[in-house]
Amino acid sequence: GAVVSQHPSWVICKSGTSVKIECRSLDFQATTMFWYRQFPKQSLMLMATSNEGSKATYEQGVEKDKFLINHASLTLSTLTVTSAHPEDSSFYICSAREMTANYGYTFGSGTRLTVV
Amino acid sequence: RKEVEQDPGPFNVPEGATVAFNCTYSNSASQSFFWYRQDCRKEPKLLMSVYSSGNEDGRFTAQLNRASQYISLLIRDSKLSDSATYLCVVRGGYQKVTFGTGTKLQVIP
Repeated sequence: GAVVSQHPSWVICKSGTSVKIECRSLDFQATTMFWYRQFPKQSLMLMATSNEGSKATYEQGVEKDKFLINHASLTLSTLTVTSAHPEDSSFYICSAREMTANYGYTFGSGTRLTVV
Repeated sequence: RKEVEQDPGPFNVPEGATVAFNCTYSNSASQSFFWYRQDCRKEPKLLMSVYSSGNEDGRFTAQLNRASQYISLLIRDSKLSDSATYLCVVRGGYQKVTFGTGTKLQVIP
């Protein structure tokens, strides 16, 4: 089945530094990928939709200059959290749509970011 | 009104019980519907899509009611391994996907 690989699975960084998270579709091409954030005991919240070869579409309230998204190829999207602060600590998950009969969405394994 | 609403639970049920979750959505133009399962500190995994005619996969039955704008998930003969959070997912136009807050299920021995 469709597999989405996400790295790193966890990262601890100092406040003020930047962190890059990668999301790769391993056995299919994804023109669109989605980035979510999940705080403890809360639901997944869509941050942005990443489109291959064009600018990402950000949800209301998500700072595009803080969360930089690059989707340079059909199999790779990256999310860079710039100048991270402790309040950015969260679980970040990417997903892509698998074009199978059920048109479901495959998720990466997530990245747990802790900013200290 | 939230785009997708679910009862957060928790639903505590004994093994072997039948349990049902509902999820309501606000956008009548929503196109696709899914149930996902999320275990603690893990990524969501697709449980099943929801079709207009209703569909069944083993012990799981999903139904869609477009007139009332809700979807449901029925789990029969609950197993301990069914304990998880069940997320209702609705896809609208432009592939925008919205998640419900999830319903937590705890199956008790």
